[in-house]
Amino acid sequence: QKEVEQNSGPLSVPEGAIASLNCTYSDRGSQSFFWYRQYSGKSPELIMSIYSNGDKEDGRFTAQLNKASQYVSLLIRDSQPSDSATYLCAVIVNYGQNFVFGPGTRLSVLP
Amino acid sequence: KAGVTQTPRYLIKTRGQQVTLSCSPISGHRSVSWYQQTPGQGLQFLFEYFSETQRNKGNFPGRFSGRQFSNSRSEMNVSTLELGDSALYLCASSSSGFTDTQYFGPGTRLTVL
Repeated sequence: QKEVEQNSGPLSVPEGAIASLNCTYSDRGSQSFFWYRQYSGKSPELIMSIYSNGDKEDGRFTAQLNKASQYVSLLIRDSQPSDSATYLCAVIVNYGQNFVFGPGTRLSVLP
Repeated sequence: KAGVTQTPRYLIKTRGQQVTLSCSPISGHRSVSWYQQTPGQGLQFLFEYFSETQRNKGNFPGRFSGRQFSNSRSEMNVSTLELGDSALYLCASSSSGFTDTQYFGPGTRLTVL
């Protein structure tokens, strides 16, 4: 079992729709979770971090964390073509000693 | 504020050679982490340096090493290059470590022939 798993996609949604990206992790002791966006040919950039169970909202983005189910998600409301990118879930594991990225989900927002 | 810079941007080496990559973090950042990105394995953590000390290390062989200088600039070295080392090597800097926002540099594209 990989430490961080995501659906590879591609996930296609129409412009204006809600895009839902999911991530599961295996280390029950993990406390810190991150969503990064990576455009093709560019470096990853942090969208959001989340540390507590529940929802965290930032503009059109909402991160959701459920530690009991070892599940993190990212919702993108009113999706725009400029949101088309690969979204990487990342988790600090092994008592803070390792920073593990999931394989990423490629999102395509269709005009 | 200047971002994270990496040099060189592109590098071509042959098997068996060694290579050194450089990373200059954002001013004031003391943590520098290195990552390898390949199409097959994705983005994998190599190691993290903080105040000139290696604080965390990923699951890579000893051929991969690094260091950090007093000005927080960091270098990573790969010895005895293998074809599988061809990848994009990214460094990221942050104020104090993983839980802070990590800002990534543009990467060094290494091709091993």
